[in-house]
Amino acid sequence: TQLLEQSPQFLSIQEGENLTVYCNSSSVFSSLQWYRQEPGEGPVLLVTVVTGGEVKKLKRLTFQFGDARKDSSLHITAAQPGDTGLYLCAGGRIKAAGNKLTFGGGTRVLVKP
Amino acid sequence: DSGVTQTPKHLITATGQRVTLRCSPRSGDLSVYWYQQSLDQGLQFLIQYYNGEERAKGNILERFSAQQFPDLHSELNLSSLELGDSALYFCASSVGIAGAYEQYFGPGTRLTVT
Repeated sequence: TQLLEQSPQFLSIQEGENLTVYCNSSSVFSSLQWYRQEPGEGPVLLVTVVTGGEVKKLKRLTFQFGDARKDSSLHITAAQPGDTGLYLCAGGRIKAAGNKLTFGGGTRVLVKP
Repeated sequence: DSGVTQTPKHLITATGQRVTLRCSPRSGDLSVYWYQQSLDQGLQFLIQYYNGEERAKGNILERFSAQQFPDLHSELNLSSLELGDSALYFCASSVGIAGAYEQYFGPGTRLTVT
């Protein structure tokens, strides 16, 4: 059972459409990161949110952390083919023994021109 | 470019063999993490080192081991390789060990066991 559930698992849309990816958990996280990964490459950090209810914008991408810090969403406005990739959310917890990020299973996004 | 380097980029070996994957963290980062990503699966955390010491362990097999050296680079050793070990192996680094420290990933090593 995934501690962090991402939905949908796969999303195919046309260029110019909007999309939202969800990341849900029954656990509270101290931080939530979103990464984008392209085939054969390492995940690239997009954003970190740490405060419940926090909203961060990165150009056409809007990230939100749930009030209870158990869930997050990523919204892309007017998607472009360059947004194609695997989107991963990862939750972090403050632990004295180390900082292990827990990753969701990912949402594969395909934006068709 | 994240600043994290990994070598080799690709590795093809036979079952039963042993390989070593190498990672150099970003300048100034003290923590190194290793992850395994199999086809169509998410990132599975293997192990974390901070300033040379093991700090956290995930689902790492007993056939696998890692270490972090005084210059902070890290190596992941995989032995008695099986077909199921074929995967992408990523190294990530971060400044600290706790809190909201973001992890920066290297380009990965693609391991193919035949």
